[in-house]
Amino acid sequence: GAVVSQHPSWVICKSGTSVKIECRSLDFQATTMFWYRQFPKQSLMLMATSNEGSKATYEQGVEKDKFLINHASLTLSTLTVTSAHPEDSSFYICSARVRTGGSGANVLTFGAGSRLTVL
Amino acid sequence: GDSVTQMEGPVTLSEEACLTINCTYTATGYPSLFWYVQYPGEGLQLLLKATKADDKGSNKGFEATYRKETTSFHLEKGSVQVSDSAVYFCALSDRNNAGNMLTFGGGTRLMVKP
Repeated sequence: GAVVSQHPSWVICKSGTSVKIECRSLDFQATTMFWYRQFPKQSLMLMATSNEGSKATYEQGVEKDKFLINHASLTLSTLTVTSAHPEDSSFYICSARVRTGGSGANVLTFGAGSRLTVL
Repeated sequence: GDSVTQMEGPVTLSEEACLTINCTYTATGYPSLFWYVQYPGEGLQLLLKATKADDKGSNKGFEATYRKETTSFHLEKGSVQVSDSAVYFCALSDRNNAGNMLTFGGGTRLMVKP
């Protein structure tokens, strides 16, 4: 089945540094990927929609300059948290749309998530 | 806007007990409804889905019926196993089939004891 690989799974960094998280579709091409953020004991919140070859679409309230998204190929999207601060500590999850064909909703395949801790 | 509300956990059950995790939603259109499961250390996996009213999604012994009149999509299983221990997320997609913008509930942690 469709697999989405996310790396790194866990990262600890110092305040002020930038962190890049990669999301790869391993056995299919993903023209669209989604980035979510999950706070402890809270729901997943959509941050942005990443479109291959074009600019990402950010949800309201998400800082574009803070969370840089690049979708340079059909199998890779990256999220860079720039000048990270402790309040950016969270669980970031990417997903990609897998077309199921026929009628009905297309489904999303999710990566395992990346836990970011900013000291 | 769209929203999904699911019962808070953790839910602790003994093996072979019956499970119900409540999920209700608000949406402006006619959403598709999903249950995702997140096993420890793994990513989210689609468990089941329903795309229109009265549809029943089922997988691995889990079932959920799309109830438009009560705006609900409760997850049920007749006999849980220890291996079902995970976090379950209810979600909706309120776009047409070309889109996949998901709105998630807060997640419910299920712990099944032997």
